[in-house]
Order: sequence, then structure tokens, then C-alpha cells
Amino acid sequence: AQKVTQAQTEISVVEKEDVTLDCVYETRDTTYYLFWYKQPPSGELVFLIRRNSFDEQNEISGRYSWNFQKSTSSFNFTITASQVVDSAVYFCALSGGRRALTFGSGTRLQVQP
Amino acid sequence: EPEVTQTPSHQVTQMGQEVILRCVPISNHLYFYWYRQILGQKVEFLVSFYNNEISEKSEIFDDQFSVERPDGSNFTLKIRSTKLEDSAMYFCASRADRPLDFGPGTRLTVT
Repeated sequence: AQKVTQAQTEISVVEKEDVTLDCVYETRDTTYYLFWYKQPPSGELVFLIRRNSFDEQNEISGRYSWNFQKSTSSFNFTITASQVVDSAVYFCALSGGRRALTFGSGTRLQVQP
Repeated sequence: EPEVTQTPSHQVTQMGQEVILRCVPISNHLYFYWYRQILGQKVEFLVSFYNNEISEKSEIFDDQFSVERPDGSNFTLKIRSTKLEDSAMYFCASRADRPLDFGPGTRLTVT
């Protein structure tokens, strides 16, 4: 079985603050993929990043960065200098073996101007 | 860039009616999925489809649900007799490798 836990239900920050969204996962698979998706108020699911279990290198993409720690089964997402347009629900997801994607419950991020 | 498309964007139906949600996956993709999201909740897996058959399904995907790929382009989800609790956003997705490409969703409202 695979499971994704996003303990933070809702986070509110003021623009320009940094914010980290936590994601902890469980899987018995040795090969798996981790993902982050963004769901803006318009409702669509926007892919942000994919990581495979053999690649623990952290990644930075503009204001976004991801910290994959296999030892703690975590794949955290940091937004630096947050902006109002970052307001959305962010989902962490896991796919192990040939299994379909399992989503966490999501973290709603509100960035206040 | 190719996209997954879904129609309709919003469907309203009465309890007990059958609905068919339609999806056109990206043309060279081989794996197809349906997910649903009840308002304010997480995105839940329903079913995956590969090589013209269901490869995996969740507990939610009971006998009321069926999927079909009637031709080379469409992928449909049928709900035989809708219940109030079927009201949700339904997302279709497809992939060649990974990640999944999601469609924009169909909002189903059952009254």
C-alpha cells in the first residue's frame, strides 16, 4: 500500500515570505516516483515536479525548490518570496511500481498581499 | 503542446440517471486514468486503463462505474445510476511515461 501525508491543511503567509509545504510518504516499493501538483482556484491540476526514488538531488526552479530526503520519507516543497499568484492547493503524490498515483490530502496556501 | 481534453466542463444530472463523461487523451499516450475530487477533498484514484482493459481500480470504482475506449481517441467514464455522493470533479489523465497529464476536469452535479 502507498500513502501520502500532508499534515498542513492550510498555511497563510504574507507576500514575500518563504513557505515550506511538507510531504511524508509510505511505500514498500523500492522504485517509486514523487510528484507535486498545484491546483489553483480555477480547479485544474498543474504538474510542478517529478522525482524518482533514485534521485535524491534537490532541485530548484526559480522560486520553487524541493528537498527529497529518502531517510525520512519526505519530499518537501519550498516557495521563496511567495506571491499572491502562488495561492492554491498543493498536492504531493506518489506512484510506486506500476501503481496509479496516490495523492495527499493537499495543503491550501493563502498568500496575502 | 498537446493536452488532455474533457467534455462537458459541467454536467448536471438527476439522481438515478446515467452519465457519460468524455475524455480525449494525448494521442501517443498508452495509459489512461480517471480520478475524482469531491469538493474540498483530496484527488482520489478511480481506475486505470491500458491495452484496452482495466489495469487497476479502486474500491470506489464499483459496478456503477465503467470505462471504455470506443475508438482510437476517446476514453469515457460511465456512471450507470448516479447518486448524490457522485457529485465531484472528475479528472481524466493520460501518460506515455510519467508524469500524468491531467485534463481540466468535468464538474458533475447530481441533484
